[in-house]
Amino acid sequence: DVKVTQSSRYLVKRTGEKVFLECVQDMDHENMFWYRQDPGLGLRLIYFSYDVKMKEKGDIPEGYSVSREKKERFSLILESASTNQTSMYLCASSLSGGFYGYTFGSGTRLTVV
Amino acid sequence: GDSVTQMEGPVTLSEEAFLTINCTYTATGYPSLFWYVQYPGEGLQLLLKATKADDKGSNKGFEATYRKETTSFHLEKGSVQVSDSAVYFCALSGGSGGSNYKLTFGKGTLLTVNP
Repeated sequence: DVKVTQSSRYLVKRTGEKVFLECVQDMDHENMFWYRQDPGLGLRLIYFSYDVKMKEKGDIPEGYSVSREKKERFSLILESASTNQTSMYLCASSLSGGFYGYTFGSGTRLTVV
Repeated sequence: GDSVTQMEGPVTLSEEAFLTINCTYTATGYPSLFWYVQYPGEGLQLLLKATKADDKGSNKGFEATYRKETTSFHLEKGSVQVSDSAVYFCALSGGSGGSNYKLTFGKGTLLTVNP
């Protein structure tokens, strides 16, 4: 089975901290994605990457950056955490082409206090 | 651009009831269509998919048919169980309004099944 592993299930950080969320996939997928999920808003795409060192902004990139130095790893960085970034963060990966759909990680619930 | 509209929840059913969750989409071209399920405290799992018109996706007793004429992909199950309680997301990819590898999601429908 394809595995997408997110490093933490629950995380509590203080306002202003720099936060790293890590995601690793083990199936050699080209594409990787970061979403946040909030009640009533569904899933919103933050950033995605279709190749190593390549990245594109999604719908809500403000306050976030990403890093993809290796094919299997895609990191989401909150440069200076704020309380409005308290959310569930979901990482996903896919083969090239939307035909295949995504495989998701279990999510990281981040609370910024 | 591409968009997906799902019926708003929450949906509450008794065990063994018939389930329909409506999903319609807006996209040009020939998108692939998906249903994802999210159980409490977990990430999303692919439930079923269809890649061309009139295809029927099925899994775990759930079915959905890709209807291009009505731009719909409604999810159905003949007899729900308590264990089906979850949030269900309809999604599409490959429409010409979006990139080929990007999924566009509906907002999700919460289903609660009571014993």
